[in-house]
Amino acid sequence: AQSVTQPDIHITVSEGASLELRCNYSYGATPYLFWYVQSPGQGLQLLLKYFSGDTLVQGIKGFEAEFKRSQSSFNLRKPSVHWSDAAEYFCAVGAKEYGNKLVFGAGTILRVKS
Amino acid sequence: IAGITQAPTSQILAAGRRMTLRCTQDMRHNAMYWYRQDLGLGLRLIHYSNTAGTTGKGEVPDGYSVSRANTDDFPLTLASAVPSQTSVYFCASSDSRIGYEQYFGPGTRLTVT
Repeated sequence: AQSVTQPDIHITVSEGASLELRCNYSYGATPYLFWYVQSPGQGLQLLLKYFSGDTLVQGIKGFEAEFKRSQSSFNLRKPSVHWSDAAEYFCAVGAKEYGNKLVFGAGTILRVKS
Repeated sequence: IAGITQAPTSQILAAGRRMTLRCTQDMRHNAMYWYRQDLGLGLRLIHYSNTAGTTGKGEVPDGYSVSRANTDDFPLTLASAVPSQTSVYFCASSDSRIGYEQYFGPGTRLTVT
């Protein structure tokens, strides 16, 4: 069965420090990969996506993610975190073979300390 | 452009009552979805619709029903609410003709007492 794992439930970083959020997936097909961000009381906003091609993808708000097929990973990174980045982040995976449906990870809550 | 709207924003409902959560999109996306979000579990798919007139079951469909009479609307009905259906419900849509990313509404917070 398809699954997505975000190993870190909570992460705390200092403002200005770099950030990496981990995402691992188990999928029996070539995956489409996404990162979403959710601020408290809000819906999910798409940060970036990977379908094919260059394995390093750029997103909004200065985020990037790298697809590593050999590790079944799609980690999210940001070189310098801002206090406004505090939110919950979700990794999601889909595949053409499974139709339009996505499978979401359980989320990682990012706290930013000043 | 509103994107996806959901109503109500929040609701407290007595167990056993019937409730319909509304979802409307103005992007003419062919596919729509209903998720529930519970702490520590991420988002779980309840039902989906790949195109108007068709629906399918997701990961947690029991106790819920949907219909898709037209492209824009995708209501979710709880026929007889139970406390375990207390959750935040998100509607989403996507256009599989151009990509697989989903766009989300603001959510409905439902409490069943």
